[in-house]
Amino acid sequence: DTTVKQNPRYKLARVGKPVNLICSQTMNHDTMYWYQKKPNQAPKLLLFYYDKILNREADTFEKFQSSRPNNSFCSLYIGSAGLEYSAMYLCASSQGERLFFGHGTKLSVL
Amino acid sequence: GQQVQQSPASLVLQEGENAELQCNFSSTATRLQWFYQRPGGSLVSLLYNPSGTKHTGRLTSTTVTKERRSSLHISSSQTTDSGTYFCAMELGLSGKLTFGEGTQVTVIS
Repeated sequence: DTTVKQNPRYKLARVGKPVNLICSQTMNHDTMYWYQKKPNQAPKLLLFYYDKILNREADTFEKFQSSRPNNSFCSLYIGSAGLEYSAMYLCASSQGERLFFGHGTKLSVL
Repeated sequence: GQQVQQSPASLVLQEGENAELQCNFSSTATRLQWFYQRPGGSLVSLLYNPSGTKHTGRLTSTTVTKERRSSLHISSSQTTDSGTYFCAMELGLSGKLTFGEGTQVTVIS
C-alpha cells in the first residue's frame, strides 16, 4: 500500500480562525512533508519531519506549525488563517528516495 | 536565481504529436522525480529517475546528472495528457525536494 491519506479533502475557514489539517501514511516512511500549492505556481515546501525532527522553511517559519505524534501521522496547523492561505495543501512521505503524495486538502479562507 | 528551471513554460500539442519537456538544475541533484498534475488535482508520480533513462508507457525520462539536466519525452500525445508536469529533486544534501515551475501541456484533438 503506497497510500498517503489526507483529511479533509476540502476545508472552509474564516479569516482569523485556526485550521488543522491531517495526513497519514502506512508505509512506515521516516520523512513526511507539507507543501503548499497555488494555481500556476510550483509546490512550495512549508516544513518536513525526518523522524521526530521538524524542519521548517525560513520564510514560513512563523506561519505554520506541525506535529508528528507517531510515525504514521502528521498535522499542519495554522493558528490564524488569512486570505493568502487559500491553496491546496499537499502531504507527502518518503523513505529516502521517491515522494508519494496524498490527494491534498483544498483550503478556502473567507 | 531559480534553482530548478523547466522549459517550455507551456506548449500546445495536436493529438498524436510527441513532446519533450526539459528540466535544468543549478547544483548537484539526487532523487529526481517527474510529477503530473491535472488542473486542481494532486501530484501523481510519473517517473523516479535520478540518473540514466527510464520508461513507463508513453513516457521516457533521461537524466544526465553531470550536465544538470533531465528531460521527459511524451510520445503519441493524447488529450488526457493535458495538465502540468513538474520535475523535482533534492539539491545538495537538503533532505527536501525542490520543484520547478512546471510545464503546462495542452493536447487538442
